[in-house]
Amino acid sequence: DVKVTQSSRYLVKRTGEKVFLECVQDMDHENMFWYRQDPGLGLRLIYFSYDVKMKEKGDIPEGYSVSREKKERFSLILESASTNQTSMYLCASSLFSRLAGIGTDTQYFGPGTRLTVL
Amino acid sequence: DAKTTQPPSMDCAEGRAANLPCNHSTISGNEYVYWYRQIHSQGPQYIIHGLKNNETNEMASLIITEDRKSSTLILPHATLRDTAVYYCIASYSGNTPLVFGKGTRLSVIA
Repeated sequence: DVKVTQSSRYLVKRTGEKVFLECVQDMDHENMFWYRQDPGLGLRLIYFSYDVKMKEKGDIPEGYSVSREKKERFSLILESASTNQTSMYLCASSLFSRLAGIGTDTQYFGPGTRLTVL
Repeated sequence: DAKTTQPPSMDCAEGRAANLPCNHSTISGNEYVYWYRQIHSQGPQYIIHGLKNNETNEMASLIITEDRKSSTLILPHATLRDTAVYYCIASYSGNTPLVFGKGTRLSVIA
């Protein structure tokens, strides 16, 4: 079974702090994604990566950055946390290889990190 | 990616089949239909996907109409643990990330 793990289930931080959310997948997937989920707004894509050291902006990248130094790990960074970044953060991975043109876009999600910024 | 339309909520009696509809009238020929569900406070869970043919796995069946403008996800014997938000997504495989809409909130009632 695919396993996607996230570093924390719950996190409380203060405004202005630098926050790191870590995501690790164990299935050698090419693609990794970060979403946030807020009531009434559904899942919104923040950033995604289809290869090591590659990243692309999603729909709401402002206030966030990402890092993918190793294939299995994708980090989301809040450079200076603000209260409007209080949310559920979800990481996902999928196998599709854009270079080889093979695989499937089926995404496997981690359990989520509920971040509260005070 | 084609836009999908789902009813905001549905109820189903425990033990009965739950049939969740999805309209995707603008879907193009090589867009897949994916279904996910999200149980409260958990990450979304992949259920099934298909292109043209009907598909079945251990969780559900996916029926796609011949013109591919709509589909139905069938949970054959719904249990209380199937209470969740179900998302229908149409997407080119591997081209762009999946876009999640608001889904259908399914309540399974004892």
